[in-house]
Amino acid sequence: QSVLTQPPSVSGAPGQRVTISCTGSSSNIGAGYDVHWYQQLPGTAPKLLIYGNSNRPSGVPDRFSGSKSGTSASLAITGLQAEDEADYYCQSYDSSLSGSDVFGTGTKVTVL
Amino acid sequence: EVQLVESGGGLVQPGRSLRLSCTASGFTFGDYAMSWVRQAPGKGLEWVGFIRSKAYGGTTEYAASVKGRFTISRDDSKSIAYLQMNSLKTEDTAVYYCTRRSAAGTRGKLYDYWGQGTLVTVSS
Repeated sequence: QSVLTQPPSVSGAPGQRVTISCTGSSSNIGAGYDVHWYQQLPGTAPKLLIYGNSNRPSGVPDRFSGSKSGTSASLAITGLQAEDEADYYCQSYDSSLSGSDVFGTGTKVTVL
Repeated sequence: EVQLVESGGGLVQPGRSLRLSCTASGFTFGDYAMSWVRQAPGKGLEWVGFIRSKAYGGTTEYAASVKGRFTISRDDSKSIAYLQMNSLKTEDTAVYYCTRRSAAGTRGKLYDYWGQGTLVTVSS
């Protein structure tokens, strides 16, 4: 049972903007721990997409952006492309669970 | 180029044991914590546990769902991390990913590199 909640699915037409929320609590995101995002394309391993709330690793298009406020974080994809159809997961650390990293429930992005 | 390659997955009966290996290359293995993350069929990602680098004591942490049954260890001389899984249950069926656990200047850790995963099926 994950402590970070995401919407099961979001969808958008090519070129549109979609956002994915990641809702936590005072023991994880609200405690000041950073949020990281991963993209999992069908049949592949997850890949780091955003780290430290809003930073993109080298090679990640600037269409992807992240933000954090209070006990929540968000991932935005602007100019949605067919290749963005994937599962997306947020991840943080939870101080209420001994040494525990935690993942979000995951969101399926569908490009219409 | 950083590479993580898992091996050792397969079909195992409930109650039996299995050991997974993660062979790393392309970075100084001993400088990093290593973690295991699993994904049951059609489900989301679940953190399994991690082992700190020797500089931080080489200690381990585990998810409640596997604590007492799974053990993570490392051999820095061979750049290999292990996941020993005992008393396996059907609910342990999943793809197991080896990941490098990094700080990257953030508060809390992230997983910057992932292996391709190895499937463990627990069934009679």
